[in-house]
Amino acid sequence: AQKVTQAQTEISVVEKEDVTLDCVYETRDTTYYLFWYKQPPSGELVFLIRRNSFDEQNEISGRYSWNFQKSTSSFNFTITASQVVDSAVYFCALSEDAGNNRKLIWGLGTSLAVNP
Amino acid sequence: DAGVIQSPRHEVTEMGQEVTLRCKPISGHDYLFWYRQTMMRGLELLIYFNNNVPIDDSGMPEDRFSAKMPNASFSTLKIQPSEPRDSAVYFCASSFQETYNEQFFGPGTRLTVL
Repeated sequence: AQKVTQAQTEISVVEKEDVTLDCVYETRDTTYYLFWYKQPPSGELVFLIRRNSFDEQNEISGRYSWNFQKSTSSFNFTITASQVVDSAVYFCALSEDAGNNRKLIWGLGTSLAVNP
Repeated sequence: DAGVIQSPRHEVTEMGQEVTLRCKPISGHDYLFWYRQTMMRGLELLIYFNNNVPIDDSGMPEDRFSAKMPNASFSTLKIQPSEPRDSAVYFCASSFQETYNEQFFGPGTRLTVL
């Protein structure tokens, strides 16, 4: 069965600290996709990144970076030099590539508070 | 282009009443999703459509919930009769076939059933 675990419920850091959000997934499929979404206080979820199971290269986008390791079934998200605007709930999600399947399995989210 | 539009933004109703939530997806998107978010259960997929056809409705809680998509630019989620446990934020999202599951979310409808 598919499952996404975000063990960290809440994280609080001081501005400019680096912070890593953990995501562990379970799936029996060899072809799957992993995602991170951000939900700021305004409420709308915002897509951050998609990774397929055949691409284990790390991704960097500005202060954001993602580390995908199939050996540990993890897809961790690091924010470097955090800022107050990074305060949000971050969700990791998984979907299996099965034809028309577009169902995302969501983690429960990690609430990040970046304090000035 | 406008994002996903949902209405109303807030809805307060009494138990037993019918509630209709509305969604306008981003033009050109061919997938539409309805989600429910609560503190206890997190984010749950209720149903999703592809080209106006329901693909997976396994997340719809019970027969009190129904969803329709009569055309590519409009969808509704109806709860009849509503119950206090239906209180939640309901999100609509849409995506494009070619950008696999890059979903664009609306602002949500906060539903309170008294």
